[in-house]
Amino acid sequence: RKEVEQDPGPFNVPEGATVAFNCTYSNSASQSFFWYRQDCRKEPKLLMSVYSSGNEDGRFTAQLNRASQYISLLIRDSKLSDSATYLCVVNTGFQKLVFGTGTRLLVSP
Amino acid sequence: DGGITQSPKYLFRKEGQNVTLSCEQNLNHDAMYWYRQDPGQGLRLIYYSQIVNDFQKGDIAEGYSVSREKKESFPLTVTSAQKNPTAFYLCASTFGTGGGQPQHFGDGTRLSIL
Repeated sequence: RKEVEQDPGPFNVPEGATVAFNCTYSNSASQSFFWYRQDCRKEPKLLMSVYSSGNEDGRFTAQLNRASQYISLLIRDSKLSDSATYLCVVNTGFQKLVFGTGTRLLVSP
Repeated sequence: DGGITQSPKYLFRKEGQNVTLSCEQNLNHDAMYWYRQDPGQGLRLIYYSQIVNDFQKGDIAEGYSVSREKKESFPLTVTSAQKNPTAFYLCASTFGTGGGQPQHFGDGTRLSIL
């Protein structure tokens, strides 16, 4: 089983839609979780950290479910500019981050 | 502006040649990392360093070497032993060494074989 697994997509949604991605992780000792955004042929950029209590940043909401070992990202009112690949990132406890392969989102007019 | 600078943006390697990718940061970050990304794949860790003059192998260190002589700099050498070097190389850094902080990335170097 991969340490971090994501549905590669693509998720095709119209502008204004709400879309959610899940990511599962295998190491129950993982302590830190992040969502990154990566545009085509660009570097990943931190979108948000994921806290145990869940957190929200504008249209983006991240949740952590430790019991089921997954994190989620919800995007409300999708914009064309949200089109990108979203990377789930987990700290496995060995001072390293493990990156998922990403979920591709395409928002259409 | 603080940030991570990678150079060059594009690099071509001839057979049997070693090439060095530069990574410099002025964020006063302690830890630095090198990743490789292949099309359709996630980032894979090559090497990382948490302190000057010390570094550890990541998951795919074979064919690569690094040095950390200064806190700000973490160059990566792709040696001739790396038989499939074509990839997008990303350098990252983070404040602290505990692994709980997010990493910040440079804009990458694309390496191809001539």
